[in-house]
Amino acid sequence: GEDVEQSLFLSVREGDSSVINCTYTDSSSTYLYWYKQEPGAGLQLLTYIFSNMDMKQDQRLTVLLNKKDKHLSLRIADTQTGDSAIYFCAESRPYSGGGADGLTFGKGTHLIIQP
Amino acid sequence: DTEVTQTPKHLVMGMTNKKSLKCEQHMGHRAMYWYKQKAKKPPELMFVYSYEKLSINESVPSRFSPECPNSSLLNLHLHALQPEDSALYLCASSQVRGSNSNQPQHFGDGTRLSIL
Repeated sequence: GEDVEQSLFLSVREGDSSVINCTYTDSSSTYLYWYKQEPGAGLQLLTYIFSNMDMKQDQRLTVLLNKKDKHLSLRIADTQTGDSAIYFCAESRPYSGGGADGLTFGKGTHLIIQP
Repeated sequence: DTEVTQTPKHLVMGMTNKKSLKCEQHMGHRAMYWYKQKAKKPPELMFVYSYEKLSINESVPSRFSPECPNSSLLNLHLHALQPEDSALYLCASSQVRGSNSNQPQHFGDGTRLSIL
């Protein structure tokens, strides 16, 4: 995960917006993803963006992609206690042959919700 | 509810045992993956199967042996594991690139493996 960088912790008040940032290094990345992991659980796909897009919105989630700076962000509007989890940024890099791309993950941002 | 099912959820085994982890999906995906996640770390790619053929092996020790018997099933056979192999093993599936479909990877809940 060392090629994908994220802050380790983010603390926000309930009802505020959370913004989780990520930087990546490989300009050949095709898709960029945000996954959510709650304690003891697997990874839940939250949203993803194709590398030729700038923005994607899905209900409370907004993803912004700055391809020039290789910067990705996830904004969660009206943050709730149920949003408390670790959020992983991930990039898919085209491997030669096969047509299936493994993901490289950032270290994850632990989102802490204050009442 | 996840559409990728992994069994067992928990597994405790000794270093001389042989066991298998199983993964199943019925989304019609033709790419399947194994990842390993140590505590407080991100998942790391182990193997990738595309159209039931192994396409990527990320220099994983031979004590881990993957198998893809058909397009819905993915196994990970374990033999002579070490204590440092204790981790959460995650399976994922996706469409194959170039299939004119979006290809996000969908993950199972994982098998939590402990090696004694």
